[in-house]
This record gives sequence, structure tokens and C-alpha cells, in this order.
Amino acid sequence: AQSVTQPDIHITVSEGASLELRCNYSYGATPYLFWYVQSPGQGLQLLLKYFSGDTLVQGIKGFEAEFKRSQSSFNLRKPSVHWSDAAEYFCAVGPPSNTGKLIFGQGTTLQVKP
Amino acid sequence: GAVVSQHPSWVICKSGTSVKIECRSLDFQATTMFWYRQFPKQSLMLMATSNEGSKATYEQGVEKDKFLINHASLTLSTLTVTSAHPEDSSFYICSARGTGRETQYFGPGTRLLVL
Repeated sequence: AQSVTQPDIHITVSEGASLELRCNYSYGATPYLFWYVQSPGQGLQLLLKYFSGDTLVQGIKGFEAEFKRSQSSFNLRKPSVHWSDAAEYFCAVGPPSNTGKLIFGQGTTLQVKP
Repeated sequence: GAVVSQHPSWVICKSGTSVKIECRSLDFQATTMFWYRQFPKQSLMLMATSNEGSKATYEQGVEKDKFLINHASLTLSTLTVTSAHPEDSSFYICSARGTGRETQYFGPGTRLLVL
């Protein structure tokens, strides 16, 4: 079955510390991979995406993610977290075709301590 | 670019009434739009996929007669919650995808409260 797992439901980091949010997926083929961020009461904003090519992708707001095929993972990282990064983060996978249906992980809530 | 809007941002209605939510792609043509539902502290649940000019495809367990979706133009899709009940209260989010694009861009969401 196709699925996305974000093992960490809630993460707290200090401002300025580094961050890594984990994402593992189960899929028949290498899917398209996405990270979205959601602030309270808001829609989702695309942070970055991976379709093919370089497995280290850069996104907005200083985020990056690395696709590791052998581990079926697409972990999100940021070297130095800002208080404004506190939000809900969703990893999503989609088929490498034109259907566009995304499967979302359960989300990770990031809390940033001053 | 790739901005998606939703209207209204929140709505309160009485049980038994119908509510229409609009989703618009502001700066691109959205051949496909998606409607999601999100419960508090939970992930997004895909309700249906709509392609411009054709009937929506509903996910298993989603009542198509209750959640009417219309995608009449390349920039507008609407979701109508018919005969709303308190259990329909939720956060509804749409997303849009352009022709040949693989990325979905999300609207800001609509919070529905049915009294």
C-alpha cells in the first residue's frame, strides 16, 4: 500500500538550532516528493519538491531536503531555525504521472523555543 | 506566481442549509483542482479531483451528492456542501494544478462551522 510516514508528531527545537524532519514513504515506483508548511488556520505553502536529478534539493526559507532512494526517505533540514518557522510540516508523495493525487503524511508540528 | 484563493475564508451556517466554497487560480489556468478536508490536528484527506469541463472523481467514502463539485472554467472550481450538518464542520482546502505541471498549489482554506 502507498503511504507516507512522518515519525515525529511533535518536535521542539531552540531558535538557531538545526532541524531535521523525517519522512519515509512506501510507493511502487519513485514518486514525486514534496514538503509543505502550514501555519495555523492557513493553507499549505510549498517548501520544495523533488522530481528527478540532484537528490539534494533547495527550497524556500532556507530549507533543503535530501532524497535517499535506498532508504525511501525525503528528510527536510534547516541549519538554523527561526521562531517564524514554527508551524505544521507535511511531507507528500505523488505519482510520476499526470494524475496528481498526493498522499500526505500525518504532519510534524514544529515548536521553536526562544 | 501560482496563487490560489478561496472564498469565503470562514462561514457559519445553520444545519440543513447549503454552503458554496469557491476556489480560484489567480495567475494560471488550473486544468485540475483538488478538494481536501482537514480535521483539527490531522492531515489532509483528499475528497475529490475535478478536471475542467468534466465530472469530479470522488474518493471512496465521500458522498458525491452531499459534496457537489463544479469545475466550469480553468480558473474556478466550487464545492457545495448540501444540507450541511454539524459533522460537516471542518477546514476545507482546495489546490490547483496547471497543464503539464506536477505541483499542486494550495488555497488558504475555508473553515466551515455548522450549527
